[in-house]
Order: sequence, then structure tokens, then C-alpha cells
Amino acid sequence: AQSVTQLGSHVSVSEGALVLLRCNYSSSVPPYLFWYVQYPNQGLQLLLKYTTGATLVKGINGFEAEFKKSETSFHLTKPSAHMSDAAEYFCAASWTSGSRLTFGEGTQLTVNP
Amino acid sequence: GAVVSQHPSRVICKSGTSVKIECRSLDFQATTMFWYRQFPKKSLMLMATSNEGSKATYEQGVEKDKFLINHASLTLSTLTVTSAHPEDSSFYICSASREREAAYEQYFGPGTRLTVT
Repeated sequence: AQSVTQLGSHVSVSEGALVLLRCNYSSSVPPYLFWYVQYPNQGLQLLLKYTTGATLVKGINGFEAEFKKSETSFHLTKPSAHMSDAAEYFCAASWTSGSRLTFGEGTQLTVNP
Repeated sequence: GAVVSQHPSRVICKSGTSVKIECRSLDFQATTMFWYRQFPKKSLMLMATSNEGSKATYEQGVEKDKFLINHASLTLSTLTVTSAHPEDSSFYICSASREREAAYEQYFGPGTRLTVT
């Protein structure tokens, strides 16, 4: 079955440090891939997406992600964490028409001063 | 563009009553809308997919008679939780995909916190 796995339900970094949130998908067919951020009691905001073309994708708030087909991965990075980056992050994939998304379990990012 | 709203943002209802949650695409026509449920500290669980003018497609294990979904127009979908019970308390999020959009993107509403007492 097609699935999305986020390694690490909690990630803690210091302010100014590199942020790395991991996402892998399981399928022989590469999906469209998305990263969303969720702040407490709010909906999801799209950070970035990969559909086709360049495998390094830049998103909002300084985040970027690289699609690596050979590793079936789409890890999210940010060079320097900011306190406002503390939130829940979801990786999601879509393999079908009609936009149906499969979500990972989420990673809670904590940024320490 | 691509803003989705939900109303209400929070609702408290008594056990046995029904509650309706609205999901609107404010600046685009949404051919497909999705309803999710999110438990605390958990990921989103897809409940159903609805297309304008047709019956919703429910995910396995979701009671269609309990969670009534109506997608009457290209900008409005409603979720009615019928005969609500405390175990229905949750955060409900809708999303919409834009007509003829090729990138499979969903635009999410801000969510509705339902508490059943």
C-alpha cells in the first residue's frame, strides 16, 4: 500500500540551527509531494510542493525540500531555525487524480532559545 | 487566492443534538472538497470526499448516516454531525481542490473544534 512515513514525531533544535524533517514514501510510482505546517488550533498551510521538474523545491519562510527518487524521500530543511518555526509539520503525497492526499503522522518541531 | 473558510471555528453542543459545519471556498470554485478529522497530537484522517452535485464518498469505517456531507455548490460543502456524542468531539478540517488544477493541491480551512458535552 502507498504510504508516507515521517521519521521522528518530535524534533528539537536550537534557534539558528539547521532544521531537518524527514519524509519517505513507499511506492514504485513517484507521487506529487507536499509539506504543510500547522499551528495550534489552525488548519494546514502549504509550505512547498513537488510536482515535476526541478527536484529541489523552495517554499515559504525559508524552507526547501529535495525530492530524491532513488531514496523515495522528500526531506524538509531550513538553514537557520527561528522561534516562529515551532509547529507541527506534515508531509503528504498524492498518487491519484482528484487530489486525494496521504499524510504522514506529523513531526512536532520545537525551537529552543 | 485559494482561501477556504470554515464556520463555526468552535462549537459546543449537547449529546444527542446535531451540529452543522460549513466549508466555503471564498475566491475559487472547488470541484472537490474533503473532510478530515484530527485527534489531539495526531495526523489528519480523511473522512470523505465530495464532488459538487454528487454523493460523497466515505472512507472505510466512517458512518455516512452519522456524518452527513452535502456539496450543494462549487463553493460550499457542509458536514453535519448527527446525534452527536462525546466521542465525536474532535477538530474537523475541510479542504478544497481547485477546478482543473493539475498540481493536485488542496487548500485547507482553519478547522472547527467540536466539543460534545
